[in-house]
Amino acid sequence: QSALTQEASLSGTVGQKVTLSCIGDSTNIGSYDVGWYQQISHGAPKAVMLGTSLPSGIPDRFSGSKSGTTASLTISGLQPEDEAVYFCSAWDYSLRAQLFGGGTKLTVL
Amino acid sequence: EVQLVESGGRVAQPGGSLRLSCAASGFMFRSYEMNWVRQAPGKGLEWLSWISSPGDDMTYADSVRGRFAISRDNSKESLFLQMNALRPDDSAVYYCVRRSGATPDHWGQGTLVIVSS
Repeated sequence: QSALTQEASLSGTVGQKVTLSCIGDSTNIGSYDVGWYQQISHGAPKAVMLGTSLPSGIPDRFSGSKSGTTASLTISGLQPEDEAVYFCSAWDYSLRAQLFGGGTKLTVL
Repeated sequence: EVQLVESGGRVAQPGGSLRLSCAASGFMFRSYEMNWVRQAPGKGLEWLSWISSPGDDMTYADSVRGRFAISRDNSKESLFLQMNALRPDDSAVYYCVRRSGATPDHWGQGTLVIVSS
C-alpha cells in the first residue's frame, strides 16, 4: 500500500510555531479525517489530533487543518516536551487500508 | 479510561505461528472497529489489518494477506491476530488500535514479536 508523505525532519526553537504536513490524495486525505500521532522515544504512539478535534489531555497549542489532499498539524508555542516523531494517518477507500506517513522527527532546539 | 493490553508476543521460529491477543476495557468494545499496526525496530508504523465492529468484515495489508488473520470476541472484549508462516521481517512491536469514525484513536502499549532461528 502507498504511504502518505511527510517531512522527514523539522526543527524549531522553544516558543516558535511549527507546521507539519501530510500529503495524500482524493481517496484518503481528500475523503476522511486525518489522525496525528506523537511517539516519544519509541514508546506507544499517542493521538494528538483527530481530524480537527483535540483528544482529551492534549494541550491546545496543537491544532489540525486540511486543504484538499494535504493535512497539517500546527504546534503553536513549541515546548521541549514536544520533541518526538509525529505520524499522520488516513483511511483509503480505494485500497481499503489505513495509510500512515513515514513520520516527521521534530527537534526542539 | 480506555485500555488496550496486548499479549502473546515472543520469539518464534521462521515458518512458525503466533497468536496475539488484545484485552480491551473502559469502553463498549463491541461498538468499535479495531486495527492491528506494527512497528519494526527503527522503522515507521505499518498498518496490518482492520476488522468491523461485529467482526464480519476485515481487510489486510498486502504484506500479511494470506498469512495473518484478524478476529474478535465481543463477548470477551478481545481482539486477536493469528500469525502464520512467520518471516524474520515480521519482527516488530505489534499494537492493538481502536478506531473512532475513520481514524485510529487509542493505542495499546504493544507486544514484541521476534522471528529468528
